[in-house]
Amino acid sequence: EAGVAQSPRYKIIEKRQSVAFWCNPISGHATLYWYQQILGQGPKLLIQFQNNGVVDDSQLPKDRFSAERLKGVDSTLKIQPAKLEDSAVYLCASSLSPWQANNSPLHFGNGTRLTVT
Amino acid sequence: GQQVMQIPQYQHVQEGEDFTTYCNSSTTLSNIQWYKQRPGGHPVFLIQLVKSGEVKKQKRLTFQFGEAKKNSSLHITATQTTDVGTYFCLGGSQGNLIFGKGTKLSVKP
Repeated sequence: EAGVAQSPRYKIIEKRQSVAFWCNPISGHATLYWYQQILGQGPKLLIQFQNNGVVDDSQLPKDRFSAERLKGVDSTLKIQPAKLEDSAVYLCASSLSPWQANNSPLHFGNGTRLTVT
Repeated sequence: GQQVMQIPQYQHVQEGEDFTTYCNSSTTLSNIQWYKQRPGGHPVFLIQLVKSGEVKKQKRLTFQFGEAKKNSSLHITATQTTDVGTYFCLGGSQGNLIFGKGTKLSVKP
């Protein structure tokens, strides 16, 4: 099966600019996650979607980050305006069902490496 | 809030030596998953543990889930250079899903 697709792979922007990331999950996967992974740390959950609804966005900095999954398939994550501390790899993952279902491994995309200068 | 502590942060071993990484949660977990991330790559699912005291094996890898479902370990027997990478646990509890900070394994041939 095709994996989780993400684009772009790399992005360099200046602080205060805006940026958007795109994710196409594995076909049939209802659950989609966006993670932020700062160098040397574990991934941090930003938002979890179930179909086109938000399950958990408690750690999403909503003053500058937004995400949507309008048709329950593809998703976009936007940062506006970007700060230096947003430099990280942004990983998208999908699973067949929510992790709460106890049989739902996460499948990750290759990520987008964002550098804010 | 809930925390998932993972130790050690780094482990350097000689090829053929064993390796173990541990995860401890401040709350009871409903399940725990383990992932491996190669340098420059993305996390790849290894296994999920759900039951108290569960032990699962994958070739040279042994995964355990504690009786209280608050801790877990991953043990690699006779490491090989292909085992290099960062191993993460991912614990689910009380509606939260949290990664440990990972253990970075390097193997000297």
